[in-house]
Amino acid sequence: DAGVTQSPTHLIKTRGQHVTLRCSPISGHKSVSWYQQVLGQGPQFIFQYYEKEERGRGNFPDRFSARQFPNYSSELNVNALLLGDSALYLCASSFWDRGYTFGSGTRLTVV
Amino acid sequence: GQQLNQSPQSMFIQEGEDVSMNCTSSSIFNTWLWYKQDPGEGPVLLIALYKAGELTSNGRLTAQFGITRKDSFLNISASIPSDVGIYFCAGDGSSNTGKLIFGQGTTLQVKP
Repeated sequence: DAGVTQSPTHLIKTRGQHVTLRCSPISGHKSVSWYQQVLGQGPQFIFQYYEKEERGRGNFPDRFSARQFPNYSSELNVNALLLGDSALYLCASSFWDRGYTFGSGTRLTVV
Repeated sequence: GQQLNQSPQSMFIQEGEDVSMNCTSSSIFNTWLWYKQDPGEGPVLLIALYKAGELTSNGRLTAQFGITRKDSFLNISASIPSDVGIYFCAGDGSSNTGKLIFGQGTTLQVKP
Protein backbone atom coordinates (compact mmCIF):
# COMPACT_ATOMS: atom_id res chain seq x y z
CA ASP A 1 0.00 0.00 0.00
CA ALA A 2 1.21 3.49 -0.80
CA GLY A 3 2.02 5.69 2.16
CA VAL A 4 1.50 9.43 2.34
CA THR A 5 2.74 10.99 -0.90
CA GLN A 6 3.96 14.57 -1.08
CA SER A 7 5.03 16.60 -4.08
CA PRO A 8 7.30 18.14 -5.03
CA THR A 9 10.15 16.81 -2.90
CA HIS A 10 12.23 19.96 -3.24
CA LEU A 11 11.39 23.49 -4.30
CA ILE A 12 13.25 26.77 -4.58
CA LYS A 13 11.24 30.00 -4.69
CA THR A 14 12.01 33.70 -4.60
CA ARG A 15 10.75 36.04 -1.90
CA GLY A 16 7.28 37.35 -2.70
CA GLN A 17 6.29 34.36 -4.84
CA HIS A 18 3.61 31.89 -3.93
CA VAL A 19 3.87 28.11 -3.66
CA THR A 20 1.50 25.16 -3.74
CA LEU A 21 2.41 21.90 -2.03
CA ARG A 22 0.45 18.70 -2.54
CA CYS A 23 -0.34 15.69 -0.41
CA SER A 24 -2.11 12.39 -1.08
CA PRO A 25 -3.16 10.54 2.08
CA ILE A 26 -3.12 6.83 2.76
CA SER A 27 -6.08 5.12 1.15
CA GLY A 28 -9.00 5.16 3.57
CA HIS A 29 -7.68 8.11 5.59
CA LYS A 30 -9.99 11.09 5.49
CA SER A 31 -7.93 13.47 7.60
CA VAL A 32 -4.90 15.43 6.41
CA SER A 33 -2.75 17.68 8.59
CA TRP A 34 0.06 20.02 7.57
CA TYR A 35 3.17 20.81 9.61
CA GLN A 36 6.15 23.11 9.17
CA GLN A 37 9.51 21.88 10.42
CA VAL A 38 12.33 24.38 10.65
CA LEU A 39 15.83 22.94 10.85
CA GLY A 40 16.67 21.78 14.36
CA GLN A 41 13.12 21.95 15.68
CA GLY A 42 10.09 19.73 15.99
CA PRO A 43 7.22 20.06 13.50
CA GLN A 44 4.74 22.89 14.07
CA PHE A 45 1.05 22.36 13.32
CA ILE A 46 -0.41 24.48 10.51
CA PHE A 47 -3.79 22.98 9.52
CA GLN A 48 -5.97 19.92 9.77
CA TYR A 49 -8.68 19.04 7.27
CA TYR A 50 -11.27 16.31 7.71
CA GLU A 51 -13.92 15.51 5.13
CA LYS A 52 -12.94 18.66 3.22
CA GLU A 53 -13.52 20.95 6.19
CA GLU A 54 -10.91 22.79 8.23
CA ARG A 55 -10.92 21.33 11.72
CA GLY A 56 -7.86 22.99 13.22
CA ARG A 57 -5.52 25.87 12.54
CA GLY A 58 -2.16 26.62 14.11
CA ASN A 59 -0.57 29.97 14.80
CA PHE A 60 0.39 30.85 11.23
CA PRO A 61 -0.38 34.03 9.26
CA ASP A 62 -3.17 34.27 6.69
CA ARG A 63 -0.58 33.87 3.94
CA PHE A 64 -0.94 30.17 4.66
CA SER A 65 -4.06 28.45 3.36
CA ALA A 66 -5.08 24.93 2.50
CA ARG A 67 -7.89 22.88 1.09
CA GLN A 68 -8.92 19.26 0.80
CA PHE A 69 -10.44 17.71 -2.28
CA PRO A 70 -13.21 15.09 -2.63
CA ASN A 71 -10.58 12.36 -3.01
CA TYR A 72 -9.11 13.55 0.36
CA SER A 73 -5.88 14.82 -1.19
CA SER A 74 -4.83 18.25 -0.02
CA GLU A 75 -2.96 21.37 -1.06
CA LEU A 76 -1.09 23.84 1.11
CA ASN A 77 -0.68 27.31 -0.37
CA VAL A 78 1.70 29.96 0.88
CA ASN A 79 1.55 33.48 -0.56
CA ALA A 80 4.09 36.31 -0.44
CA LEU A 81 6.91 34.01 0.58
CA LEU A 82 9.41 35.18 3.16
CA LEU A 83 12.90 33.88 3.81
CA GLY A 84 11.60 32.53 7.12
CA ASP A 85 9.18 30.24 5.29
CA SER A 86 12.12 28.04 4.30
CA ALA A 87 11.45 24.71 5.96
CA LEU A 88 10.43 21.10 5.53
CA TYR A 89 6.66 20.96 5.05
CA LEU A 90 5.15 17.72 6.25
CA CYS A 91 1.77 16.22 5.56
CA ALA A 92 0.24 13.63 7.88
CA SER A 93 -2.81 11.53 7.18
CA SER A 94 -4.89 9.80 9.78
CA PHE A 95 -8.07 7.89 10.33
CA TRP A 96 -9.71 10.71 12.31
CA ASP A 97 -7.53 11.05 15.42
CA ARG A 98 -5.57 7.82 15.26
CA GLY A 99 -2.51 6.67 13.41
CA TYR A 100 -0.91 9.90 12.24
CA THR A 101 1.40 8.87 9.38
CA PHE A 102 3.74 11.41 7.85
CA GLY A 103 4.99 11.77 4.32
CA SER A 104 8.63 12.47 3.48
CA GLY A 105 7.93 16.16 3.15
CA THR A 106 8.62 18.98 0.73
CA ARG A 107 11.82 20.92 1.30
CA LEU A 108 11.06 24.57 0.49
CA THR A 109 13.91 27.02 0.13
CA VAL A 110 13.08 30.72 -0.25
CA VAL A 111 15.87 32.89 -1.66
CA GLY B 1 0.20 27.62 24.76
CA GLN B 2 0.90 23.95 25.08
CA GLN B 3 4.57 22.99 25.09
CA LEU B 4 6.50 19.79 25.46
CA ASN B 5 9.87 19.61 27.16
CA GLN B 6 11.88 16.74 25.78
CA SER B 7 15.14 15.54 27.33
CA PRO B 8 17.91 14.90 26.87
CA GLN B 9 18.59 17.07 23.84
CA SER B 10 21.24 14.65 22.59
CA MET B 11 22.82 11.36 23.55
CA PHE B 12 26.00 9.62 22.43
CA ILE B 13 26.10 6.00 23.54
CA GLN B 14 27.91 2.75 22.90
CA GLU B 15 26.24 0.02 20.86
CA GLY B 16 24.44 -2.39 23.18
CA GLU B 17 23.60 0.20 25.82
CA ASP B 18 20.04 1.01 26.86
CA VAL B 19 18.60 4.47 26.20
CA SER B 20 15.94 6.45 27.99
CA MET B 21 14.33 9.74 26.99
CA ASN B 22 11.28 11.56 28.26
CA CYS B 23 8.80 14.32 27.64
CA THR B 24 6.94 16.47 30.10
CA SER B 25 4.19 19.01 29.70
CA SER B 26 2.33 21.51 31.81
CA SER B 27 -0.85 20.48 29.98
CA ILE B 28 -2.77 17.23 29.88
CA PHE B 29 -2.64 15.17 26.71
CA ASN B 30 -5.07 12.49 25.57
CA THR B 31 -2.55 10.80 23.31
CA TRP B 32 1.23 10.46 23.38
CA LEU B 33 3.15 9.47 20.26
CA TRP B 34 6.82 8.71 19.72
CA TYR B 35 8.41 9.25 16.30
CA LYS B 36 11.87 8.71 14.80
CA GLN B 37 13.11 10.96 12.02
CA ASP B 38 16.04 10.26 9.73
CA PRO B 39 17.73 13.07 7.77
CA GLY B 40 15.64 14.22 4.82
CA GLU B 41 12.69 12.06 5.78
CA GLY B 42 9.41 12.55 7.57
CA PRO B 43 8.86 11.29 11.12
CA VAL B 44 8.04 7.58 11.40
CA LEU B 45 5.63 6.51 14.11
CA LEU B 46 7.24 4.13 16.64
CA ILE B 47 4.68 3.84 19.42
CA ALA B 48 1.24 5.35 20.11
CA LEU B 49 -0.21 5.60 23.63
CA TYR B 50 -3.89 6.34 24.19
CA LYS B 51 -4.55 5.69 27.88
CA ALA B 52 -3.00 7.07 31.06
CA GLY B 53 -0.69 4.50 32.62
CA GLU B 54 -0.46 2.50 29.39
CA LEU B 55 2.85 0.71 28.82
CA THR B 56 3.46 -0.43 25.25
CA SER B 57 6.35 -2.23 23.58
CA ASN B 58 7.45 -2.43 19.97
CA GLY B 59 10.43 -4.75 19.70
CA ARG B 60 13.30 -3.20 21.63
CA LEU B 61 11.26 -0.05 22.25
CA THR B 62 9.05 0.52 25.28
CA ALA B 63 7.01 3.63 26.01
CA GLN B 64 4.70 4.66 28.80
CA PHE B 65 1.88 7.19 29.08
CA GLY B 66 2.29 8.90 32.45
CA ILE B 67 -0.51 8.48 34.97
CA THR B 68 -0.89 12.26 35.27
CA ARG B 69 -1.24 12.48 31.45
CA LYS B 70 1.48 15.12 31.48
CA ASP B 71 4.49 12.98 30.69
CA SER B 72 5.78 10.02 28.74
CA PHE B 73 9.04 8.15 28.37
CA LEU B 74 10.65 6.02 25.68
CA ASN B 75 13.23 3.33 26.37
CA ILE B 76 15.38 1.61 23.76
CA SER B 77 17.11 -1.54 24.89
CA ALA B 78 20.36 -2.95 23.48
CA SER B 79 20.90 -0.09 21.02
CA ILE B 80 22.22 -0.80 17.53
CA PRO B 81 23.77 1.56 14.93
CA SER B 82 20.51 1.88 12.98
CA ASP B 83 18.88 3.45 16.06
CA VAL B 84 20.74 6.65 15.13
CA GLY B 85 18.36 9.51 14.40
CA ILE B 86 16.19 12.14 16.03
CA TYR B 87 13.41 10.98 18.32
CA PHE B 88 10.37 13.17 18.87
CA CYS B 89 7.57 12.91 21.35
CA ALA B 90 4.22 14.37 20.36
CA GLY B 91 1.07 14.97 22.33
CA ASP B 92 -2.48 15.36 21.15
CA GLY B 93 -4.53 17.28 23.66
CA SER B 94 -7.09 18.96 21.47
CA SER B 95 -9.67 16.44 20.38
CA ASN B 96 -11.01 16.77 16.85
CA THR B 97 -8.37 19.21 15.64
CA GLY B 98 -5.52 16.87 14.69
CA LYS B 99 -3.09 19.23 16.37
CA LEU B 100 -0.02 17.38 17.52
CA ILE B 101 2.40 19.26 19.75
CA PHE B 102 5.97 18.09 19.25
CA GLY B 103 8.94 18.16 21.57
CA GLN B 104 12.27 19.57 20.41
CA GLY B 105 13.69 16.13 19.74
CA THR B 106 16.45 13.92 21.15
CA THR B 107 19.37 13.27 18.81
CA LEU B 108 20.75 9.79 19.34
CA GLN B 109 24.18 8.72 18.16
CA VAL B 110 25.38 5.15 18.61
CA LYS B 111 29.03 4.22 18.52
CA PRO B 112 29.66 0.73 17.09
